[in-house]
Amino acid sequence: DTGVSQNPRHKITKRGQNVTFRCDPISEHNRLYWYRQTLGQGPEFLTYFQNEAQLEKSRLLSDRFSAERPKGSFSTLEIQRTEQGDSAMYLCASSEGDEQFFGPGTRLTVL
Amino acid sequence: AQTVTQSQPEMSVQEAETVTLSCTYDTSESDYYLFWYKQPPSRQMILVIRQEAYKQQNATENRFSVNFQKAAKSFSLKISDSQLGDAAMYFCAPNAGGTSYGKLTFGQGTILTVHP
Repeated sequence: DTGVSQNPRHKITKRGQNVTFRCDPISEHNRLYWYRQTLGQGPEFLTYFQNEAQLEKSRLLSDRFSAERPKGSFSTLEIQRTEQGDSAMYLCASSEGDEQFFGPGTRLTVL
Repeated sequence: AQTVTQSQPEMSVQEAETVTLSCTYDTSESDYYLFWYKQPPSRQMILVIRQEAYKQQNATENRFSVNFQKAAKSFSLKISDSQLGDAAMYFCAPNAGGTSYGKLTFGQGTILTVHP
């Protein structure tokens, strides 16, 4: 068990480009969460999966954001037509019980 | 919707001393869980301690304990015998009510500095 992994760790992109992040949860965990964290702030909830079903989406998740979790394993978060305001750390967490285990995050910089 | 307030942006403590971090929250749920998470600089978020709202007894985990006041919606974290490795950003986070595994709502965080 290597914990929750996220790739890439850093992504720099130009405004208007599309980006995709990947999260690999701890293997036996059926729940997977995405959060966004801006500098000096606490993480904000984006979306949540139980197995392959996306059960909840935040209003923060605009139409430009989409998340998937095919086959209930890894998950991807795609941002289309990136904006400078999308610059943040994107955190993934997984759980089986009440403790959420967090990954190292993907830091996105939109120029 | 839940709101979480951590009124201390920064706190400092001498090594081996005790420090208390405060947190208040607002929720319409009657049953929920509360968590304190720690985020060391450039490192992953890890769970420090959890409290189930229906339990009156305050949770304790080694040097970490909470003071949970449900009526006041207050959930403070006490760190005893502070160690240099306790230096981090600490977040208070209640979850969505009714289950132990709902989304977390994080406070703004408190940066804890530990002086040798």
